[in-house]
Amino acid sequence: LAKTTQPISMDSYEGQEVNITCSHNNIATNDYITWYQQFPSQGPRFIIQGYKTKVTNEVASLFIPADRKSSTLSLPRVSLSDTAVYYCLVALGGSQGNLIFGKGTKLSVKP
Amino acid sequence: DVKVTQSSRYLVKRTGEKVFLECVQDMDHENMFWYRQDPGLGLRLIYFSYDVKMKEKGDIPEGYSVSREKKERFSLILESASTNQTSMYLCASSSHGLAGRAEAFFGQGTRLTVV
Repeated sequence: LAKTTQPISMDSYEGQEVNITCSHNNIATNDYITWYQQFPSQGPRFIIQGYKTKVTNEVASLFIPADRKSSTLSLPRVSLSDTAVYYCLVALGGSQGNLIFGKGTKLSVKP
Repeated sequence: DVKVTQSSRYLVKRTGEKVFLECVQDMDHENMFWYRQDPGLGLRLIYFSYDVKMKEKGDIPEGYSVSREKKERFSLILESASTNQTSMYLCASSSHGLAGRAEAFFGQGTRLTVV
């Protein structure tokens, strides 16, 4: 499975746009890129997933360049409630497989 | 609503005890996972299962075993609990055929303390 690298932590202020970049140099053709969010004392929850170019939903946008060796999770106008750990995963789209989480990026949003 | 339910939220066990952590999902998912989470180490995969009676080792299987006799239930077993197994344990499930594509749903976690 492709290994991912993302910053350990980031700080932001309310109302700002936050971009968290994840590098996955060894991504394979069948791999998808998925982001999860985890609040303290809770299990992670799915935010967004993409294969290439740009994906947007009501929570975030995901930008994936043509070479797919990195991806950027974009959170528009963050609020205090976006303070959480964000995990980038790269996993096969095939029939079986495990889900490997890294250490994630701890985002702290300040007032 | 998809639900992944872990049997206990908090658990305190003694060193050497055999410990069972139970996880049940109600979405007919084929894939189920057990992770442990420790400060500064993120989530680490212990075992996963992609079908009944099937299991695969994750990154840190030592000291653990699992059982999947029914599709909806995935049990994590600590054969002889040790203090270094004190941790938050998280169970997850996802649909088959799309393990890397499908959304994984997590339980609330079991905080296990071994004394």
